Amino acid sequence: DQQVKQNSPSLSVQEGRISILNCDYTNSMFDYFLWYKKYPAEGPTFLISISSIKDKNEDGRFTVFLNKSAKHLSLHIVPSQPGDSAVYFCAARYNQGGKLIFGQGTELSVKP
Amino acid sequence: GAGVSQSPSNKVTEKGKDVELRCDPISGHTALYWYRQSLGQGLEFLIYFQGNSAPDKSGLPSDRFSAERTGGSVSTLTIQRTQQEDSAVYLCASSLMSGVLNYGYTFGSGTRLTVV
Repeated sequence: DQQVKQNSPSLSVQEGRISILNCDYTNSMFDYFLWYKKYPAEGPTFLISISSIKDKNEDGRFTVFLNKSAKHLSLHIVPSQPGDSAVYFCAARYNQGGKLIFGQGTELSVKP
Repeated sequence: GAGVSQSPSNKVTEKGKDVELRCDPISGHTALYWYRQSLGQGLEFLIYFQGNSAPDKSGLPSDRFSAERTGGSVSTLTIQRTQQEDSAVYLCASSLMSGVLNYGYTFGSGTRLTVV
């Protein structure tokens, strides 16, 4: 039972354009959502998060949008840079539960 | 240390052997998590420790898997009688406390386990 789903295994974007990575979830008890970025042979690194009481959080080039009614969140990267090429994981936390449930990941490739 | 340290970074073992994977969390982090990433898959939760509370073992795939955390610091994940489907990258992460997530977990670089 995949509670956090990233349906696009890969995404290719031109440098300078917007990258939009999507994530869907099924459990309404999730109260916190996070995005992680992973380079090959390294552990995932935290990128940005959003509480379920908000619908948008912005940090520099990265913005996360949350649509609770649709159980959908997205990560926007503007402008995209070649160094953004990595696997991006969406994650969700049960209400106060501590552990995170991760999606399958989306591999982003930003072409110069 | 400055980050989460995992050892070994790579491990090749024969089917049926036992393996131990080690994780040194960031000093002072009370929560410690183990995940694994199989080829082409996402991050699968295995187990988490929070302070002196009983660990959440709900993600362990079989009774061949066990983990302990000694002294609230170092953790060891043990896989007994390894099978080929155990081949994966095993990732450890730590955080200050499980309820504080404004900055997320800090992950180690992982142990790549190959069972031949």
